[in-house]
Amino acid sequence: GAVVSQHPSRVICKSGTSVKIECRSLDFQATTMFWYRQFPKKSLMLMATSNEGSKATYEQGVEKDKFLINHASLTLSTLTVTSAHPEDSSFYICSAPDHNEQFFGPGTRLTVL
Amino acid sequence: GNSVTQMEGPVTLSEEAFLTINCTYTATGYPSLFWYVQYPGEGLQLLLKATKADDKGSNKGFEATYRKETTSFHLEKGSVQVSDSAVYFCALPAPGGYNKLIFGAGTRLAVHP
Repeated sequence: GAVVSQHPSRVICKSGTSVKIECRSLDFQATTMFWYRQFPKKSLMLMATSNEGSKATYEQGVEKDKFLINHASLTLSTLTVTSAHPEDSSFYICSAPDHNEQFFGPGTRLTVL
Repeated sequence: GNSVTQMEGPVTLSEEAFLTINCTYTATGYPSLFWYVQYPGEGLQLLLKATKADDKGSNKGFEATYRKETTSFHLEKGSVQVSDSAVYFCALPAPGGYNKLIFGAGTRLAVHP
């Protein structure tokens, strides 16, 4: 099947700094990618839909100025957590569809001190 | 809106034991239903799916039947292996978008020799 990668796999940062997470489709093109957030022992929660060449679509309750999404090419979407705080610590997962199936990245563990 | 409820884990079994992970859903209409699996250190992978009522999805010895009467999609396997140790997620599409998925909380399965 198709492969989606994420980088970095883990990141630790200080409160107030910004962190960028990359999501790449390695062997297919994706005009749309999805960003999820997973809290411990909780569901994956859809944060936003990343659209190549246009603005991202955010789910209700997700701060677009806090979580900046850029879909610069057909194989790359980035999520930037701006002015991170400890409550932003979480597991962030991206996905991309190919032939009507979703393919997920391995996730990025963000810890904000 | 659509939602998914999964049994809480962890589930701990001995090799060759019978596995059931319960999943019930709330949805408008009869959407497709999915089981995803996340092996340690990897992204989510589609395990099986069912697209309409009474369909049975199957893969790698796992099965799940789409039962509209009980709004359930329980995952079963007759004889688990150590290599089945992973986290299992039940999911269905969000209203209005096939590619947007709503996930259950996930059930961690640990299989011991």
